[in-house]
Amino acid sequence: AQKVTQAQTEISVVEKEDVTLDCVYETRDTTYYLFWYKQPPSGELVFLIRRNSFDEQNEISGRYSWNFQKSTSSFNFTITASQVVDSAVYFCALSEAGGYSTLTFGKGTMLLVSP
Amino acid sequence: KAGVTQTPRYLIKTRGQQVTLSCSPISGHRSVSWYQQTPGQGLQFLFEYFSETQRNKGNFPGRFSGRQFSNSRSEMNVSTLELGDSALYLCASSLGSGDGETQYFGPGTRLLVL
Repeated sequence: AQKVTQAQTEISVVEKEDVTLDCVYETRDTTYYLFWYKQPPSGELVFLIRRNSFDEQNEISGRYSWNFQKSTSSFNFTITASQVVDSAVYFCALSEAGGYSTLTFGKGTMLLVSP
Repeated sequence: KAGVTQTPRYLIKTRGQQVTLSCSPISGHRSVSWYQQTPGQGLQFLFEYFSETQRNKGNFPGRFSGRQFSNSRSEMNVSTLELGDSALYLCASSLGSGDGETQYFGPGTRLLVL
């Protein structure tokens, strides 16, 4: 069965610090998909990135970057020069092939960025 | 394009009652999934509908049910409410044409059972 572990329950940083959110996943499938979502206090899950298991290329989008390593089953998310608006709960999720895009979520990491 | 919409946004019910939540997907999306979010269990998958058929189901009791209409709008129903059903219920939509599609979430319905 698939599983996603986000070991960091809560992280507090000061504005402009870099922060990395860890995500470790378990799956027996060779084809799978990984996602990151952001949940601000309003509650809506906001999609950030999608990666399939065949694409290990790291991605950078503005202050956000993602490091996907199949060898360690990890898909870590780094925010560079954090801002107060980055404060939210971040979820890593896994979807397996044949699962109709059903997501298995980690428990989430609450990020608090203070000014 | 308008995003996923959910109604109502907030609900207060008492134990034993039933409740119906509604979700309208992004235009053109034919798959609708429902998730329950609680502080203790986190985000858990309830079920997924595509073309008015339930394609996938999570590990929830039969009190939780859903349906999808021909316009892809979906409803979920919880009968005989229990205190533990208090949660944020999130609906997500995707095209529904393949695996690993990005799911786009609505703002959720916060249900409080007293």
